[in-house]
Amino acid sequence: QQQVKQSPQSLIVQKGGIPIINCAYENTAFDYFPWYQQFPGKGPALLIAIRPDVSEKKEGRFTISFNKSAKQFSLHIMDSQPGDSATYFCAASRGATRNAGKSTFGDGTTLTVKP
Amino acid sequence: DVKVTQSSRYLVKRTGEKVFLECVQDMDHENMFWYRQDPGLGLRLIYFSYDVKMKEKGDIPEGYSVSREKKERFSLILESASTNQTSMYLCASTEALAGNQETQYFGPGTRLLVL
Repeated sequence: QQQVKQSPQSLIVQKGGIPIINCAYENTAFDYFPWYQQFPGKGPALLIAIRPDVSEKKEGRFTISFNKSAKQFSLHIMDSQPGDSATYFCAASRGATRNAGKSTFGDGTTLTVKP
Repeated sequence: DVKVTQSSRYLVKRTGEKVFLECVQDMDHENMFWYRQDPGLGLRLIYFSYDVKMKEKGDIPEGYSVSREKKERFSLILESASTNQTSMYLCASTEALAGNQETQYFGPGTRLLVL
């Protein structure tokens, strides 16, 4: 049972474009929704995260939009650059339990930003 | 900065060999995780540990075991390697403090090829 569904699997945009990656979750107990960025040959690293008490969070060129009723969240990258080319993973987890660090990940989106 | 290191970046093993993958974190994190990453399948949790000598199965534990004798070190063991265990293996750790335990810090990964 896949609890976090991510789309699209791959995405190609021109420099300056606004790629959007979407995720949908099923478990309403999730209360933390991070996005991780992974460059080739590296492990994933936290990019930005949101909790369900807000509908949007922005950090630099990266924005998460969160729709609690639809159980969906998305990552927008403004003014995308070739250096943003990477694989992006959404994830979801629950905070207040012994398994709090146990995240469920989406399948990943490979983003290519062309110069 | 949190640092998670993995003993090898690349490994080539023969079918039937016993394989040890080592992971060390330097931030006194309680929780540690082993994932495998395959194209199109995202990150799948193999095992995790929330304390020394404590472990729990993840989503795909078959064919693997783990050991956590010290807080900073979490080992993944392939008892008898098979070709379908060829993959990228990622170790991660998180804090146990409420509100901080959801962010996963990843190592650089070990790419394992089983011939």
